[in-house]
Amino acid sequence: KAGVTQTPRYLIKTRGQQVTLSCSPISGHRSVSWYQQTPGQGLQFLFEYFSETQRNKGNFPGRFSGRQFSNSRSEMNVSTLELGDSALYLCASSGGTGSYEQYFGPGTRLTVT
Amino acid sequence: GENVEQHPSTLSVQEGDSAVIKCTYSDSASNYFPWYKQELGKRPQLIIDIRSNVGEKKDQRIAVTLNKTAKHFSLHITETQPEDSAVYFCVPEGGGNKLTFGTGTQLKVEL
Repeated sequence: KAGVTQTPRYLIKTRGQQVTLSCSPISGHRSVSWYQQTPGQGLQFLFEYFSETQRNKGNFPGRFSGRQFSNSRSEMNVSTLELGDSALYLCASSGGTGSYEQYFGPGTRLTVT
Repeated sequence: GENVEQHPSTLSVQEGDSAVIKCTYSDSASNYFPWYKQELGKRPQLIIDIRSNVGEKKDQRIAVTLNKTAKHFSLHITETQPEDSAVYFCVPEGGGNKLTFGTGTQLKVEL
């Protein structure tokens, strides 16, 4: 099976702009979770989508949003970018029903200048 | 939400020694307890997990033990090798399929 893919892999944006990141899960996986990884804060959970519905949400401001499509692909959007949003954004997919193992993508490295 | 604490934050051992990382959690409803390993520049990967109806699970050189009463579980690595050097995360499942990553432990295995 092909693994989890994320696009783009690297992104440079300016403060105030918005950005959309994409994640394609492993075929058959219905759950997609997003995480932010920074040296100072570690790995923080953003949200999880299952069958096009947001099932769980972390403690991030409303500038961070996401959605999932009928083919389980997911997008994450960050509006009004701040310098502190610079991070590695990881998505992970799982079987979703009684199967919790997270399969991670390679991540998108976002730099906000 | 789930409060997860992981200790130690850094651990340095000699090759061949054992390493133990401990994780404490707050949500008594948690029933799934995995450990993930993230090598430098790579994505996290599951290395071992345990469910609440089991007290210990072993897979070759790694093992996980669970004390549900005390709300902690530990990762044990025996006969450490240089390729074990990585950051390890405990990720208790806090009910509702929500995984909370611990703060991570940087393990360094020295030759």
